[in-house]
Order: sequence, then structure tokens, then C-alpha cells
Amino acid sequence: GAGVSQSPRYKVAKRGQDVALRCDPISGHVSLFWYQQALGQGPEFLTYFQNEAQLDKSGLPSDRFFAERPEGSVSTLKIQRTQQEDSAVYLCASRPPGDNEQFFGPGTRLTVL
Amino acid sequence: SQQGEEDPQALSIQEGENATMNCSYKTSINNLQWYRQNSGRGLVHLILIRSNEREKHSGRLRVTLDTSKKSSSLLITASRAADTASYFCATDAGVGGRLAFGKGNQVVVIP
Repeated sequence: GAGVSQSPRYKVAKRGQDVALRCDPISGHVSLFWYQQALGQGPEFLTYFQNEAQLDKSGLPSDRFFAERPEGSVSTLKIQRTQQEDSAVYLCASRPPGDNEQFFGPGTRLTVL
Repeated sequence: SQQGEEDPQALSIQEGENATMNCSYKTSINNLQWYRQNSGRGLVHLILIRSNEREKHSGRLRVTLDTSKKSSSLLITASRAADTASYFCATDAGVGGRLAFGKGNQVVVIP
């Protein structure tokens, strides 16, 4: 079956631009996670949804970061007024009910110039 | 912040050899998971070990967990060129299932 998909795969933004990153989780997966992975580092947690409810956003680095999942399926991570330090790979993962394994998408590589 | 810390961070081995990597963490956990990442397939779940388990096997993978030392090890036996990747441990402390990843081990298997 189809896995987690993310779009775009690559995004180049000028400093100060707003960007929107999309995640399509696996159908039926209630939980959805966003992670940020800097070059040479492990992924770091950003935020977590259960259905449409954002239950944890403690990992969002600033108020320029905003995530939503209005219908409990597709999620969008928005970054306003991008800065160079926002350059990273943004990973989305979904998890089926009653399981601990997370299924990751290929990520969106964001480069801010 | 990073929870796990893998050791060693870079490993180069010949095909057929075993590869061992370690991970330490700081807080209590529900489970610990190992993931593999390469450019072709992104992050892929390998194996999960619960806090009440000490050892688990899956194919050529063997993972151990020592909760008293807050450490885990991943052993890959009879390595193959296709095992070349970065390997991450990730801890689940039961906070909604969010994972705290280590910095990763880069493993290169030379054919």
C-alpha cells in the first residue's frame, strides 16, 4: 500500500518568505508527527496530532512555526518569515492505532537562502 | 533536545562482518526503537524493544536493552553492502508517542 508522502520534496526559499509543507499520512493512521532533522543530526520532535487535535506542540522552535490537520488526515507545516537556521529536512510520520512503530515519509528538504 | 547518544558514530566494516552500535539515554522509557536511514528509502523502522524486555531478535538484527544503565545495543550480523546507512536509536517515554532520537551511527559496509 501507499506509504507516507510529503510534498514538495525540495524547497528553496529566500529569507523572509513563508513556506508550507504537506504530509499525507497512511490511511487510517490516527497519530501524525512532525520532526526536523538538521544535517548530520537525528530528527527532533516538533509537534504531534491525534486525528485533528494538536496534542503536543512543545517542539516547535518559535511562533513562526505552525501546523494543522483540520480534517484529521492531511497535515500542513507552515513556517513564516523563514530564516537560514530553518534549513533542514522536515519529516512527517504517522502511526496506526495501538502500535508504537512510526512510518516516516521521505521528508522535505528546505533550504533558506 | 537529543535523548539518545550512539557510540561509535562512524563504522566501516567488510561485508560479512558484524556491526555493533550502542545508544545511551537519560530518562525513563516505555520502549526503545532502532531506525535506519539512507538516501534511497528515508527512515525505516527496524526493531522495537520494550522496557521490560532485555533482548530481541529480528532476522540478522539483535538488540539489547539495559534499563539500569539506560543503554541499548544493536548488532547486525553478516553485514551486506545494502546495510550501508545511518542507524538511529529513538526512545519513547510515553509522552504521546513522540520519539527522541540520537545523533546516529553511520555504517559503511565495504563489498
